[in-house]
Amino acid sequence: QVQLVQSGAELKKPGASVKVSCKGSGYSFSEYYIHWVRQAPGQGLEWVGWINPRTGGANYARKFEAWVTLTRDTSITTAFMEVSKLNSGDTAVYYCGRLAGSYIDLWGQGTLVTVSS
Amino acid sequence: QSALTQPRSVSGSPGQSVTISCTGTSSDVDAVSWYQQHPGKAPKVIIYDVTKRPSGVPDRFSVFKSGYTASLTISGLQADDEAEYYCSSYAGTYPVIFGGGTQLTVL
Repeated sequence: QVQLVQSGAELKKPGASVKVSCKGSGYSFSEYYIHWVRQAPGQGLEWVGWINPRTGGANYARKFEAWVTLTRDTSITTAFMEVSKLNSGDTAVYYCGRLAGSYIDLWGQGTLVTVSS
Repeated sequence: QSALTQPRSVSGSPGQSVTISCTGTSSDVDAVSWYQQHPGKAPKVIIYDVTKRPSGVPDRFSVFKSGYTASLTISGLQADDEAEYYCSSYAGTYPVIFGGGTQLTVL
């Protein structure tokens, strides 16, 4: 079954970091870029960045490049997104998605990250 | 970074048609895709490469592009069409951009 499965919900304190995982299965993991998109409560979709699983190269939206790091481990077909220096504005559902050409054709189920003291 | 502009909300009765516009620069709408998102669910692509539908998406969903605007039309509205709709653009060489989203209400 072709799918992306993300790690579970996280509760973090301000200033902490969080690392969300996204495991691909049922397809050749290295062949498709993985994008990350976040959605704050009641808000729209916001692109965070992408990673090329084959090379590990990543590209970030300008507002995230200072505190988001995208990595991958091809041996376990998993992509990771680490967000550091969390604040309440980072409370959101974070999605990973597989890029097929110019669009995301496969999405993870989403991971809720809550930042609260 | 450019932006895609969508109306905040549209509505229609079952069986009717509604249109959701997405306005950006010329290059933005040349690579537009559309996503449907039901509450609490991940987005789902319904249109890609401006006018193409993935398998399983009914032809009630169609897109017309003119100038700097791509317009998604949903005909024969059904209750399950009630959702948030996002246009998006990614041409491979610059960041992905999303429109602000349009809430479709089926009356």
